[in-house]
Amino acid sequence: KQEVTQIPAALSVPEGENLVLNCSFTDSAIYNLQWFRQDPGKGLTSLLLIQSSQREQTSGRLNASLDKSSGRSTLYIAASQPGDSATYLCAVFGSNDYKLSFGAGTTVTVRA
Amino acid sequence: EAGVAQSPRYKIIEKRQSVAFWCNPISGHATLYWYQQILGQGPKLLIQFQNNGVVDDSQLPKDRFSAERLKGVDSTLKIQPAKLEDSAVYLCASSPLLYDGGFYGYTFGSGTRLTVV
Repeated sequence: KQEVTQIPAALSVPEGENLVLNCSFTDSAIYNLQWFRQDPGKGLTSLLLIQSSQREQTSGRLNASLDKSSGRSTLYIAASQPGDSATYLCAVFGSNDYKLSFGAGTTVTVRA
Repeated sequence: EAGVAQSPRYKIIEKRQSVAFWCNPISGHATLYWYQQILGQGPKLLIQFQNNGVVDDSQLPKDRFSAERLKGVDSTLKIQPAKLEDSAVYLCASSPLLYDGGFYGYTFGSGTRLTVV
C-alpha cells in the first residue's frame, strides 16, 4: 500500500523567504505526482503535475522536483507572500492500483 | 471549462440523521471520485466510478454510506445514519478516464463540510 509522508507538518516563515516543502512516498510505481493547495474549509486547487518521466515542473514562483527512484518530491515557493498561506498537499497516482494517494499536508503561514 | 460542482457547501446535522451530497463532474469526464477529508489529514478515497459503474468502493463504510452515479454523470453520496466521526469535508473529483488520471490529473470540487453534532 502506498504511503505518502509530508514533512514538516507546519511551517511559519517571514514574507520574502523561500519555502521548501518535502514529500516522500514508499512505492515508486507511479504515473505522476501532483501538488495541491487547500485553503481552510475549501477544496483542492492543483498547482503542479509532474509525470513520472519528468524531473521537475515550474509555474511562476513554484517549482517542483521529482526523484521517483528515491521516492521524493520537493515543492519550492520563491519569495513567499502572505497570500501563500495555506495547506499544501502532495499526491501520487499509482501505476499498479490507479489510485491517488495523499499525504497529510504541510500547513504554511507566511508572516507579513 | 466549468469545474467540478458540489452542493451543499456546508451541512450541520445531528447524529443518527441522514444527509446527501451532490456532485456534477466536468463535462465528458468518465471517472468520478468521492473523498473524505478529516481535519488535519489528507483526503481518503471512499468510492471511484467509471461512467456509471463502481471501480473501487473498498473503503466505503457500506453499513451507513451509499453512492450512485446516475447515467454516468452526476453523483450523490449519502450517509444514513450519521455518526460524530463522519464530521469531515467530502470532496468530489473527476478525470477524463481512469487511466488518463496519469496524464491530466484530477480536478477537485470545493467540497462539502459536514458537521455532525
